[in-house]
Amino acid sequence: GDSVTQMEGPVTLSEEAFLTINCTYTATGYPSLFWYVQYPGEGLQLLLKATKADDKGSNKGFEATYRKETTSFHLEKGSVQVSDSAVYFCALSNFGNEKLTFGTGTRLTIIP
Amino acid sequence: NAGVMQNPRHLVRRRGQEARLRCSPVKGHSHVYWYRQLPEEGLKFMVYLQKENIIDESGMPKERFSAEFPKEGPSILRIQQVVRGDSAAYFCASSPPAGEETQYFGPGTRLLVL
Repeated sequence: GDSVTQMEGPVTLSEEAFLTINCTYTATGYPSLFWYVQYPGEGLQLLLKATKADDKGSNKGFEATYRKETTSFHLEKGSVQVSDSAVYFCALSNFGNEKLTFGTGTRLTIIP
Repeated sequence: NAGVMQNPRHLVRRRGQEARLRCSPVKGHSHVYWYRQLPEEGLKFMVYLQKENIIDESGMPKERFSAEFPKEGPSILRIQQVVRGDSAAYFCASSPPAGEETQYFGPGTRLLVL
């Protein structure tokens, strides 16, 4: 079945550091890939997505590129802020409009 | 526009009681999904419903759990005879009719079973 493997956390960085959170997937066909962010006590918010190979999703300074050859969708940000502290989830959906398969989440803490 | 609404936000039950969790999707969305998040874990798919139909319940425990999405009113996730292992955050998500893959999540219901 489909699965998502995500970089283990927690990750602690200083403000303005470069961020990478690794995500790889296993899926049949051509899944869509997502990054969701969860702030403390809240639900998940879509951060970015990509629906086909070589697509780059971007939002709020975050980027991720759909790499079919390496089955990866790593999340990057050039300069993190304290407000980026949250849990980040990589996810995929297959065959459109169906269930999301999530990674285990990576807790990110940014210190001033 | 209102997003996905879930209530209650927090629910405390004693073992053996019933828990009813409600989800109102984004207006115009006809697809509803329920996910469960155990402490310090990712979200696990439970069930996918369209109006009056269960499309995929492959993630639902076989006993004690049920879900519905009636023609009128919110979607309901019902847990009968709750046990301590049911303590978790339950998230609902909705999406429009076919063509839009993005799911929009509610704030979740945090269930605590004493």
